[in-house]
Amino acid sequence: DVKVTQSSRYLVKRTGEKVFLECVQDMDHENMFWYRQDPGLGLRLIYFSYDVKMKEKGDIPEGYSVSREKKERFSLILESASTNQTSMYLCASSPHREATEAFFGQGTRLTVV
Amino acid sequence: KQEVTQIPAALSVPEGENLVLNCSFTDSAIYNLQWFRQDPGKGLTSLLLIQSSQREQTSGRLNASLDKSSGRSTLYIAASQPGDSATYLCAVSLTGNQFYFGTGTSLTVIP
Repeated sequence: DVKVTQSSRYLVKRTGEKVFLECVQDMDHENMFWYRQDPGLGLRLIYFSYDVKMKEKGDIPEGYSVSREKKERFSLILESASTNQTSMYLCASSPHREATEAFFGQGTRLTVV
Repeated sequence: KQEVTQIPAALSVPEGENLVLNCSFTDSAIYNLQWFRQDPGKGLTSLLLIQSSQREQTSGRLNASLDKSSGRSTLYIAASQPGDSATYLCAVSLTGNQFYFGTGTSLTVIP
C-alpha cells in the first residue's frame, strides 16, 4: 500500500516562527501536493511539485514556500508564521505527470499562537 | 475553473439504511473522479476511483457511479453502520496535475 507520512500530527508555534512541515511518500510518485483545509472552505491547494526541484504555485501560495530536494520528500515552509495560518495541513502524492489517484497523509493540525 | 459541489452538506440516518451521497462538477472533461472518507482530525482515505471511461466502481458496501455528460457522481452506501460516520469528499482531476475537491458531506449514522 502507498504510504504518505507527515512528520507531525499536531504542532503549536508562535507568531513569527519559521515552521517546517515534512511529508514523505514511499511509492516513488512523481507528483506531491500541499493543501490546507479550513471549515467551510474545503481543501485549497498551496503548492504542488511534479518532479525533484520542480514546483508550481497553487491557489494560495502567499506566506508559504516549498522544497523538494529528493523525490520522496516534499517540505512546506512557513517563513514567518501568522495566526491566519492556523489550519489542518494535508500532504498528498500521486503517480505520473497526469493526475491519477491521490493518496493522503494523516494531516498536521498547526496552531499558531 | 472546475467547481465541485456536494449536496447535502450534512446527513443523518438510522443504522441499516441505504443512502446516496451526491457530487456534481461543472467541467465534464475530467480525467477521473475519486471518493474519499475523512474522520475528524485525520487525513483523507481513498475509497473509490472511477476513470473517465468507466461508469461505476464497487468496493464492499460502497458503489460509486459516474455520469460525465451530466457532470454527476453518486456514492451509494448499503446497509449503513455507525462506523460509516465520517465526512465524504469527492474530487475530480482534469488532465494535468490538479485535483478539485468538493466541501464534503458529513454523515452521521445513528445506532
